[in-house]
Amino acid sequence: GAGVSQTPSNKVTEKGKYVELRCDPISGHTALYWYRQSLGQGPEFLIYFQGTGAADDSGLPNDRFFAVRPEGSVSTLKIQRTERGDSAVYLCASSTPPGGGASDTQYFGPGTRLTVL
Amino acid sequence: AQSVTQLDSQVPVFEEAPVELRCNYSSSVSVYLFWYVQYPNQGLQLLLKYLSGSTLVESINGFEAEFNKSQTSFHLRKPSVHISDTAEYFCAVSSYSSASKIIFGSGTRLSIRP
Repeated sequence: GAGVSQTPSNKVTEKGKYVELRCDPISGHTALYWYRQSLGQGPEFLIYFQGTGAADDSGLPNDRFFAVRPEGSVSTLKIQRTERGDSAVYLCASSTPPGGGASDTQYFGPGTRLTVL
Repeated sequence: AQSVTQLDSQVPVFEEAPVELRCNYSSSVSVYLFWYVQYPNQGLQLLLKYLSGSTLVESINGFEAEFNKSQTSFHLRKPSVHISDTAEYFCAVSSYSSASKIIFGSGTRLSIRP
C-alpha cells in the first residue's frame, strides 16, 4: 500500500508568516510522529499522537508550534510567526503500536523542506 | 534523558572492504537501540533494532550491530560493503518508559569508493 505522504514537499515563506504542513499516515496506523531535521543533524522529536490525542508533545520547541490530528488520521503541523531558525526538513512517521512501544517500526515520509527567508 | 553520539560524520571506504560505524549512547535508564538508514533521495527507514535478548542483531542486507551495555555502545558493522550501501546512517535510542520518543544521533555519511 501507499506509504506516509507529506505535503507540500517544499515550502518557502517569509519571516513572520504562518505555515501548515500536512501528513497522511499509512492507512490503519494509529500512531503518528513529527520530527524536525536541521542541516547536518539527525531528526529531532517534536510530538507523538496516539489516535486523536497528543501522547507526548515534549519536543515542541515553543508555543509557536502546534499540531493537530482531529480525526485520528491526517495530521497538520502549524507554525506561527515563522523565524529563520525554523528552516529545516519536517518529517512525519506513523506506526501501529498495540500499546505504544519500540517494537513497532516507525515508517517515515519524505519530509517537507521549509525555508524561511 | 537520553543522548546519542556518532563520532564520525563521514566514513569513506572502498567497495568490498569492511566498515564499522560507531555509536555511543547515554542514558540513566534501560533503552532500546536502533539504526536507521537514509539512501540518496529516499526517506528514512529502519535498518535494525535491539529490544532485548541476544545482543547481536542483524539486518537483511548484511549489516549487524552489537549492544554493549558496559561500554554503552551499539556499533554498526558490515564485513564487505557494496556501492549500494552508500547512504547516511543514524543511530537512535528510546527509553523503556517513553519508547515512542526516539532520540537520533547526528548521522554518519558512508561513501563507498569503487
